[in-house]
Amino acid sequence: EPEVTQTPSHQVTQMGQEVILRCVPISNHLYFYWYRQILGQKVEFLVSFYNNEISEKSEIFDDQFSVERPDGSNFTLKIRSTKLEDSAMYFCASSWTRGPQETQYFGPGTRLLVL
Amino acid sequence: AQSVTQPDIHITVSEGASLELRCNYSYGATPYLFWYVQSPGQGLQLLLKYFSGDTLVQGIKGFEAEFKRSQSSFNLRKPSVHWSDAAEYFCAVGASGTYKYIFGTGTRLKVLA
Repeated sequence: EPEVTQTPSHQVTQMGQEVILRCVPISNHLYFYWYRQILGQKVEFLVSFYNNEISEKSEIFDDQFSVERPDGSNFTLKIRSTKLEDSAMYFCASSWTRGPQETQYFGPGTRLLVL
Repeated sequence: AQSVTQPDIHITVSEGASLELRCNYSYGATPYLFWYVQSPGQGLQLLLKYFSGDTLVQGIKGFEAEFKRSQSSFNLRKPSVHWSDAAEYFCAVGASGTYKYIFGTGTRLKVLA
């Protein structure tokens, strides 16, 4: 069964460093998402991406964050200058179409620790 | 604003016992509701979803959930828990007019042998 994959599974970085989290969505999906979960808190939506554009973003997704689909398979989340509060589990997801009823398929997550 | 509450952070049950995980939502219209499970090292796997129709929804791995509009609840149930069900369970609502899901904080299930 097709699945969403994410690399790395864990990343440790120093505050102020740039990190890139990578995701390979399911191959025929058109909509891509990033969510994050700070330890002990809710899974929060960050951004959705379609047709090489951001279609929606949350207030969390500020100028420090960017997303890109650099080729036909990868979908990346870049954090330009990491802060301690960026430490979280980051989930990538994809779906075939959009809409609240549409199932989003999630990857296993990347656990980011900012020191 | 839409929100999802999972009142139980941790639940421990014995293998073979029944299970009910609670989920309450706040949403003005008919909600689109989901339950996901995350086993260690795995992604969030969809267990079941509710959009309309029959309020009792069957999912994978023997799980079911019942939508109760009067109680704004979508509780997940399983009649007999297996040790492999130990995982974290997330309830989510699809937000109309947006692309995003709104999640609860999750319930971590421990199963005693």
